[in-house]
Amino acid sequence: GAVVSQHPSWVICKSGTSVKIECRSLDFQATTMFWYRQFPKQSLMLMATSNEGSKATYEQGVEKDKFLINHASLTLSTLTVTSAHPEDSSFYICSARGLAKETQYFGPGTRLLVL
Amino acid sequence: GEDVEQSLFLSVREGDSSVINCTYTDSSSTYLYWYKQEPGAGLQLLTYIFSNMDMKQDQRLTVLLNKKDKHLSLRIADTQTGDSAIYFCAENKGNTGGFKTIFGAGTRLFVKA
Repeated sequence: GAVVSQHPSWVICKSGTSVKIECRSLDFQATTMFWYRQFPKQSLMLMATSNEGSKATYEQGVEKDKFLINHASLTLSTLTVTSAHPEDSSFYICSARGLAKETQYFGPGTRLLVL
Repeated sequence: GEDVEQSLFLSVREGDSSVINCTYTDSSSTYLYWYKQEPGAGLQLLTYIFSNMDMKQDQRLTVLLNKKDKHLSLRIADTQTGDSAIYFCAENKGNTGGFKTIFGAGTRLFVKA
């Protein structure tokens, strides 16, 4: 199946700093990418949907100024957590969808710990 | 209520069949999915079913869909210890620019040797 990578796989940062997470589709062009957040023992919560070359669509309750999403190319989307705080600590997972719209391929996730 | 609901835990013995159930709300969902997540890892798509089907079989996996009741199930035959994981049911819902996938809370499957 298609491969989606995320970088970094884990990051520890100080409160108040910004963290950028990259999501790449390695062997297909992703017209749409999704960013999810997963707290321990909970389900994935969709944060935002991004289409290449346009602004991301954020889910209700997700601050767009705090979670900046850029989808500048068909193989790369980035999520920047600005001024991170301990409550932002979570597992962030991206997924990508190509032309075959019935399937999404998930990255391995990025574990963020804000001290 | 929640868009996608599933029971939180299931415990089976190795070699038995596991059946994980899920209900969803959006009757217009065209695809329904089962994902597997092992500890500390991302999601692995196990299988999906198109809404005009009522059954799909793939090796040890059988998916049953009752569209009238909006009920989806995943049966794992001859469950192995390596099947221990969290299984997420998901439906797709339309939104601007396409559709998005909504996940249930996940069913944690414990397989006892």
